[in-house]
Amino acid sequence: EVQLVESGGGLVQPGGSLRLSCSASGFTFSDYGLHWVRQAPGKGLEFISAINTDGDRTYYADSVKGRFTISRDNSRNTLFLQMSSLKIEDTALYYCVKDILVIQYWGQGAQVTVSS
Amino acid sequence: QSALTQPASVSGSLGQSITISCTGTSSDVGGYNYVSWYQQHPGRAPKLMIFDVTDRPSGVSNRFSGSKSGNTASLTISGLQAEDEAEYYCSSYTSTITVVFGGGTKLTVL
Repeated sequence: EVQLVESGGGLVQPGGSLRLSCSASGFTFSDYGLHWVRQAPGKGLEFISAINTDGDRTYYADSVKGRFTISRDNSRNTLFLQMSSLKIEDTALYYCVKDILVIQYWGQGAQVTVSS
Repeated sequence: QSALTQPASVSGSLGQSITISCTGTSSDVGGYNYVSWYQQHPGRAPKLMIFDVTDRPSGVSNRFSGSKSGNTASLTISGLQAEDEAEYYCSSYTSTITVVFGGGTKLTVL
């Protein structure tokens, strides 16, 4: 069974940093590109970042480009999202997903709240 | 990348059918057959209802169907049931090698 478990969320002040982790199991981690999707309170879904299987190609939404960095450790089956220069509008539930075009598996998400 | 355009809300009576539209451009919806639809109940993670424009995952009721014409994809729910009341999101592959979501549609079952 595919499992994706996000962690590392929390309350941070504007301008601060956080690092999210996503521990994956139930599939061959290194065979899949992975993605981060977020959902702000009462708002819709937003793709924010993607990384290929080897970790040498990454993509970012304009809203986070230059502030967020996606990475992965295939030896630990873990996906990361380093978030810096956080803004109030980054407040959201962050999900890691595989198969971004057909998202069958969702974790519980990691809540990130940016507030002073 | 702009979000796909969905109506903010739709409503229908029990047993009726409704259709939710999802409008994009030739760079996303119109250019690829990679449109998915998700259902989300409050406080829950989204659930995949339709993928590749028309396909249903195992376990999803055949009351849910998808279609596409030009730059607009549609989700049709027939025989509306109370449990269908939820938020619905579309998504599409884009030419920028990413994915874009719709803004969401709140379905109210009367």
